[in-house]
Amino acid sequence: GAVVSQHPSRVICKSGTSVKIECRSLDFQATTMFWYRQFPKQSLMLMATSNEGSKATYEQGVEKDKFLINHASLTLSTLTVTSAHPEDSSFYICSAIGGKVAAETQYFGPGTRLLVL
Amino acid sequence: GESVGLHLPTLSVQEGDNSIINCAYSNSASDYFIWYKQESGKGPQFIIDIRSNMDKRQGQRVTVLLNKTVKHLSLQIAATQPGDSAVYFCAENMAGGYNKLIFGAGTRLAVHP
Repeated sequence: GAVVSQHPSRVICKSGTSVKIECRSLDFQATTMFWYRQFPKQSLMLMATSNEGSKATYEQGVEKDKFLINHASLTLSTLTVTSAHPEDSSFYICSAIGGKVAAETQYFGPGTRLLVL
Repeated sequence: GESVGLHLPTLSVQEGDNSIINCAYSNSASDYFIWYKQESGKGPQFIIDIRSNMDKRQGQRVTVLLNKTVKHLSLQIAATQPGDSAVYFCAENMAGGYNKLIFGAGTRLAVHP
């Protein structure tokens, strides 16, 4: 139980375009989803916390207009990187919490590798 | 700011030996701790967790020890195998922190045959 998927697994885009990343909880209803980014050889940095049906809470220093988060259902959250630039290239990982199988422990997706050219 | 840190960035062990990965945390308000394993190019995988009202918890080949007096957390892996090679992160959850996790810097475990 507690399986989280992400799509796509990797994406390459041109500078200035927008990229959408999906995060799905496959076998439980995720009341809360989290979005992290991770640079090479570094730890995970929380970007935002997303509760179903409400606006995401962004961490300090994360631009909400740059990283749009939508958590429209209990099994899906999306992160859209708007007007992406090379410095946005990173590994984006989501996690989810909720239901009985993931009541208090965050379970992570496999990550999405974004490369902006 | 307060953060979770690790003493050793890289740990090399021989296959079959026991591994101990350490973590220091600074937030006395944290009441829940988790160890994650992350293989290259993948998301973190849950290994084991422990609440602050416990000082030891055992899983399959893994044991987590919590010393609240010195704010120290450790992960012990018995009979380390090549498949255990990965980066290990400790994470803390503050009480009342809305399930937000603060991750440590990570320790790379390299298992040699």
